This record gives sequence, C-alpha cells and structure tokens, in this order.
Amino acid sequence: QVVESGGGLVQTGGSLRLSCAASGFSVSSFEMNWLRQAPGKGLEWVSHISYSGRAIYYASSVKGRFLISKDNAENAVHLLIDSLRAEDTAIYYCARELHNAFDVWGQGTMVTVGS
Amino acid sequence: DIQMTQSPSTLAASVGDRVSITCRASQSIGTWLAWYQQKPGKAPKLLMYKASTLGSGVPSRFSGSGSGTEFTLTISSLQPDDFATYYCQQFNSYSRYGFGQGTKLEI
Repeated sequence: QVVESGGGLVQTGGSLRLSCAASGFSVSSFEMNWLRQAPGKGLEWVSHISYSGRAIYYASSVKGRFLISKDNAENAVHLLIDSLRAEDTAIYYCARELHNAFDVWGQGTMVTVGS
Repeated sequence: DIQMTQSPSTLAASVGDRVSITCRASQSIGTWLAWYQQKPGKAPKLLMYKASTLGSGVPSRFSGSGSGTEFTLTISSLQPDDFATYYCQQFNSYSRYGFGQGTKLEI
C-alpha cells in the first residue's frame, strides 16, 4: 500500500512537500506517479518517476513548479509543489504504476490553496 | 495531447442490467487503455489494463475490449456495488497519461 501525507492549507504562491510512504513493495522496483483530483472534478495525472529515478515527467500544467523525487532508503516518493495557484487545489494521490496503468493508490492528501 | 472522450457522461441502469461505457481517443493508443472505478470519497480502483486485462481481484462480470481509438468497458450483470463513477485512462509516449471525463453509473 501507499500512504500520502503533507497536504494542508497554503497561501497562493506558497509551497508544500507531499510524501508517499510505500509498504509491501520497494519503490526502487516500480514506476511511481502523483495524480490529483480537484473537488467535484475528474482525475489528472501530475508527475511520473521511473523505478531508477532517472526518467521524470510532468504534466504541462505543473512543469517548472512541481518537483518529484524518490528516496529508496525511506521507500518513499515526494512531490515538492511550489508557486501554488488556486487551480492546484485538489486531492493529491500517489499511485504505483503497472503496465502504464495505476494499480495501487493511496487515500490521498488534500491541498487547498487560498489567499 | 491525446483527448479521451467517454460516453455516456451519465448512465442510469438497474441491478442485473448489462451496461457498456465507451471511451474514444483522438489518436491511436494501441491497447494502452485502462479503466478505473471510483466511489465517493475513495481513491480510484484499477479494473482493467491493456484494454482487456482484468485487474487483481476484479470480478469477471467486468470486461474490456478495443484497440486503436475505440474502447469499451462492459459490466455483464450490474451488482449494487457497481454504482460508481468510471474513468478511462490512456498512455502515450508523448504526453504520457490522460483521463476521460468520467461516466457516472447510477440507479
């Protein structure tokens, strides 16, 4: 399973560090992703990090503001989210990847951006 | 970016019905298509990947088909637990991942 943490209320322009703790598998062996869902809206993929950590991708909506990383010693994945905007308000999910789909999801952590 | 269009947006059905949800991609994605079920306040659950491969623990009443640009999720006999919102998701090597807008399956 994976468990997200680090969400909260942050001012516009602020930053947060989201964490995803994995158990039952090693993040060094899997591709990992962050996705989000704004209140009452659909799902949006945010970022991907390969099993080795060498391949990283971002959605165009967050590129340059978000930074994904992986800590194999902690067995965790992190997402540093910066220059936050109102439209970044969402539940942020961490998910393990299998065959280009997302097979293990956490319960999510809520990020609320407000002035 | 590849656009994913699900239809219908809302589907009203009854227990025991056979229902299908369609997902169309704006460009060919081969069979890189997954389906998810999401209930209110919960994380999505993977139902199907590679268009037609059943996810772990998913009941056999769920099936998937399609390739290229048109895909279908079928539930052969609706159970009370199946009323939820369903999303399709594509993968491509350019823009990576994208989701359809969702189909709400209601009684």
